[in-house]
Amino acid sequence: DTAVSQTPKYLVTQMGNDKSIKCEQNLGHDTMYWYKQDSKKFLKIMFSYNNKELIINETVPNRFSPKSPDKAHLNLHINSLELGDSAVYFCASSPAGGGSQETQYFGPGTRLLVL
Amino acid sequence: AQTVTQSQPEMSVQEAETVTLSCTYDTSESDYYLFWYKQPPSRQMILVIRQEAYKQQNATENRFSVNFQKAAKSFSLKISDSQLGDAAMYFCAYSGSRLTFGEGTQLTVNP
Repeated sequence: DTAVSQTPKYLVTQMGNDKSIKCEQNLGHDTMYWYKQDSKKFLKIMFSYNNKELIINETVPNRFSPKSPDKAHLNLHINSLELGDSAVYFCASSPAGGGSQETQYFGPGTRLLVL
Repeated sequence: AQTVTQSQPEMSVQEAETVTLSCTYDTSESDYYLFWYKQPPSRQMILVIRQEAYKQQNATENRFSVNFQKAAKSFSLKISDSQLGDAAMYFCAYSGSRLTFGEGTQLTVNP
């Protein structure tokens, strides 16, 4: 199946731990994104990468570090997890440079619960 | 900064009826795109429809159509012949320098 996939789908962890979420797209897209959806369902962009290069870096704590080993993968590493990091994290991709005309295709989301 | 407002947190519709979800946005840009995404209980974000701001013609995808009023900065979604599977959270999104989402409208479809 051509898609954007994320692992894991669910992540339950203790405060203070470090965790990673992986994202892969096999759509041949050049740009990938991370979004955070909070408990009120509000979706906000965190980062975007175009061909492994960071192009959007919203006001996100330094504990969040994205890494793009190649243009098909964008991982999100979170250090020293806090209760407020509990949310659903979505990966997305778009075909080219991330311009306004591009449709973004979303992964299934990773529900992170910090206890 | 662009903002997107969905003034209806919840809406309900009878099966087979028509419902319209509202969305307004604020921008100073002239070239942009607008989207409606659907998020069912499965959590997956699914593209419903997109509209290019430079096009006057309203976009249509089967039972889904939009009413795009550029001067009023309004972009509503009409769902005709509503089906149970349409029940979901619907997000309006503005695409300029980045994709900005509204707060969402939870649509319930009653049998």
